[in-house]
Amino acid sequence: NAGVTQTPKFQVLKTGQSMTLQCAQDMNHEYMSWYRQDPGMGLRLIHYSVGAGITDQGEVPNGYNVSRSTTEDFPLRLLSAAPSQTSVYFCASSYSYQETQYFGPGTRLLVL
Amino acid sequence: ELKVEQNPLFLSMQEGKNYTIYCNYSTTSDRLYWYRQDPGKSLESLFVLLSNGAVKQEGRLMASLDTKARLSTLHITAAVHDLSATYFCAVRFRSGSRLTFGEGTQLTVNP
Repeated sequence: NAGVTQTPKFQVLKTGQSMTLQCAQDMNHEYMSWYRQDPGMGLRLIHYSVGAGITDQGEVPNGYNVSRSTTEDFPLRLLSAAPSQTSVYFCASSYSYQETQYFGPGTRLLVL
Repeated sequence: ELKVEQNPLFLSMQEGKNYTIYCNYSTTSDRLYWYRQDPGKSLESLFVLLSNGAVKQEGRLMASLDTKARLSTLHITAAVHDLSATYFCAVRFRSGSRLTFGEGTQLTVNP
């Protein structure tokens, strides 16, 4: 199993550009989530999904969209990038919302 | 408000010493998790604590949970350099399916 994979690893964007961060898992996990990690702030939940076709907002959803058309994939879309979205983004998955989450390697995003 | 607070945020200790990291949370919890993160890396699961009085141990790390005090501790015994990392606690509150993380404790173990 590859576990949780994320692409790209690094990305530089200009303000106003859009992009999609990809996340995939091959463990047949129902629960998937996106976090951002900023210095001194731990991880903050952006969006999560409890199964295909079901998504919900986390703590900091503004400026981000998600969809979950398959169990395996959970892409995160930045609609119009802003410098405040410069961060490290982690995708995670688990069998259910109660189980331990497995984290992907992360995507480092810089918005100029 | 759902809050998770860790202390200390920074911890520098000598090899061979013992220390404890504290994780306090604001309201009733379903489960509590501890994760480790090495610099520039992803998060790795250490422990899941399910009930009051739960204790889990792995090597030099031992985690415990007191749900009445809304407190979890991560105790480090006879620290070694390889334990240098950032440690996060995360709480799943009973009100929902989200996970709320503490700010993390950056541990440095010096020879």
